[in-house]
Parts: sequence; C-alpha cells; structure tokens
Amino acid sequence: NAGVMQNPRHLVRRRGQEARLRCSPMKGHSHVYWYRQLPEEGLKFMVYLQKENIIDESGMPKERFSAEFPKEGPSILRIQQVVRGDSAAYFCASHIDGYNEQFFGPGTRLTVL
Amino acid sequence: GIQVEQSPPDLILQEGANSTLRCNFSDSVNNLQWFHQNPWGQLINLFYIPSGTKQNGRLSATTVATERYSLLYISSSQTTDSGVYFCAVERDRGSTLGRLYFGRGTQLTVWP
Repeated sequence: NAGVMQNPRHLVRRRGQEARLRCSPMKGHSHVYWYRQLPEEGLKFMVYLQKENIIDESGMPKERFSAEFPKEGPSILRIQQVVRGDSAAYFCASHIDGYNEQFFGPGTRLTVL
Repeated sequence: GIQVEQSPPDLILQEGANSTLRCNFSDSVNNLQWFHQNPWGQLINLFYIPSGTKQNGRLSATTVATERYSLLYISSSQTTDSGVYFCAVERDRGSTLGRLYFGRGTQLTVWP
C-alpha cells in the first residue's frame, strides 16, 4: 500500500508564475489536508478537502491560493502569481473515513526566485 | 484555535542517552500525534496517541488527556534519531473538522 504521494518534490518558479502542487492520498483515504511549513517554523493548516468538497479553508490565504480534490485524480493546490514569501515546504496529509490519524506525504519544496 | 507548546526547543545528547520530550496543549483533543521530521524533511508518524501509553521499540509515548499533556520518551538514542520532533493535536469540538495544530517542535541532535 503506497503512502501519500506528492509531486513535484521540488519546484522552482519566478515571481508572478503559477505553481501547481499535486497530492495523491493513500488508497482508500477520502480526507485530504494541505499544510505549509515556512522556514524555521512548524506546520500550519491551510485547507481540508473531501472528494469534490472543500470542508475547511480557514487557513488558506484569501488571494492567489486555491485547492481542489476532484472525483477522479489527485488533489491540487494552486498558487497564482507567486511571490517570494510563498517559498516553503507544502505537505499533504490524508486519513481514512472514521479514523483520524493523518499520514503525510514527502512534501513539495517551492522556491520562488 | 488551540495552543500547543513543546519543550525543550533544543536538545543535544550523546549517543546512548535517554530523553523526554513534552507537549502541552490548551484544550480537549480527540487526536494527538507525534512526528519525526528527518534531516531530509520527511514527516514520519511515530505515535497516534490521544490518550494512554504506547511503545514502539526504543520509543514510547504517554498522553494524559485530563491534564492536557503528552510525553515522548527516547531511550538509548542513536544518531539517526536526530531531527525535529513535532507534536500535533486535533481539537475536540464534537464534530471533527480534522485540522491538526502543530507545536514548534523539539530539535534533537545526537552526537556519536
């Protein structure tokens, strides 16, 4: 049973470009979370999704950031018009219905030049 | 939200020593997890322990939910134990929304 998959592992963008981060949860997991880890900081919640629904986006910046978890395919975290302050590690986590232990992917390290 | 405080922030040990890491939280929780973030940045699940005591090899953990703290014990530490240890909790609000609140972590360095 493969773990949570994230790609790309490393992403370099110039200011103003778009970043698309992908997350495939563990098989059978229908709950997906995105967290962001800024340098020298702990992890901060961004958004919680179930298939085709955003359950809680209270941790997501109001502008430029969006997330989806379609019926088919991976969850996508999209950052438009990236700025240097978006440079961080972005982690995806998932858990199965009825059991709330979260398992994390390896993260995507975004660098904005 | 919920406050999660970890101590100590930094810990330096000689190989073979034992250590205790602490996590205090400010509200009732229905999930508490300990993670190890290795030097490559990956988050490894150590324990899912909203209450009680668990052991896994040289590591063990205890959560006393009524007193709002958890302890992670590392015995006979090895250099591969180095990294940051995070405690994360999910607040118990009846209907779960699932988000984890993380502490700032304990940076552990084990010297040979």
